[in-house]
Amino acid sequence: DVKVTQSSRYLVKRTGEKVFLECVQDMDHENMFWYRQDPGLGLRLIYFSYDVKMKEKGDIPEGYSVSREKKERFSLILESASTNQTSMYLCASRALAAYNEQFFGPGTRLTVL
Amino acid sequence: AQTVTQSQPEMSVQEAETVTLSCTYDTSESDYYLFWYKQPPSRQMILVIRQEAYKQQNATENRFSVNFQKAAKSFSLKISDSQLGDAAMYFCAYRSVDFGNEKLTFGTGTRLTIIP
Repeated sequence: DVKVTQSSRYLVKRTGEKVFLECVQDMDHENMFWYRQDPGLGLRLIYFSYDVKMKEKGDIPEGYSVSREKKERFSLILESASTNQTSMYLCASRALAAYNEQFFGPGTRLTVL
Repeated sequence: AQTVTQSQPEMSVQEAETVTLSCTYDTSESDYYLFWYKQPPSRQMILVIRQEAYKQQNATENRFSVNFQKAAKSFSLKISDSQLGDAAMYFCAYRSVDFGNEKLTFGTGTRLTIIP
């Protein structure tokens, strides 16, 4: 079974802190994604990566950056957390072929105070 | 840009009955993929069913089936013989077949409640 894990299930940070969210997948997938999920808005793509050291902006990249130094790991970075970044963050991975599904991690619920 | 619309924020169904969740989308592409994902409370999102746009036949996975109407840009999910474990948020999603356009575009979700 594909496994996508995220470093924390719940996280509480203060405004202005630098926040790292880590995601690891164990199936050698090329593509990895970071979404945020908010009630009434569905899932919105923040960043995605085709391969190591490659990244593309999604629909809402402002205030976020990412890092992919190894194929299995994709990190989301909030350089200076703000209260409007309080949300559920979901990581996903997918093998390259277009018909393949995305596999999701359990999510990190981040609260910024 | 593609958009996906789920017009039913909440639905409920009696256990063992059938329910249909609606999804419409907007695209100018002729080939694409459509997905239904399920997110149970406090659990990981999982794929329920997928449809390839160039296939005429509606996809089916056990109790789950879709009604794909390409001309109408409609992709509804039918759940037959509803079970308590079907209670979840359901998201409809669209993806282009084009390399370089890998992202999923999601609808806003439908929360399904199963009434025992």
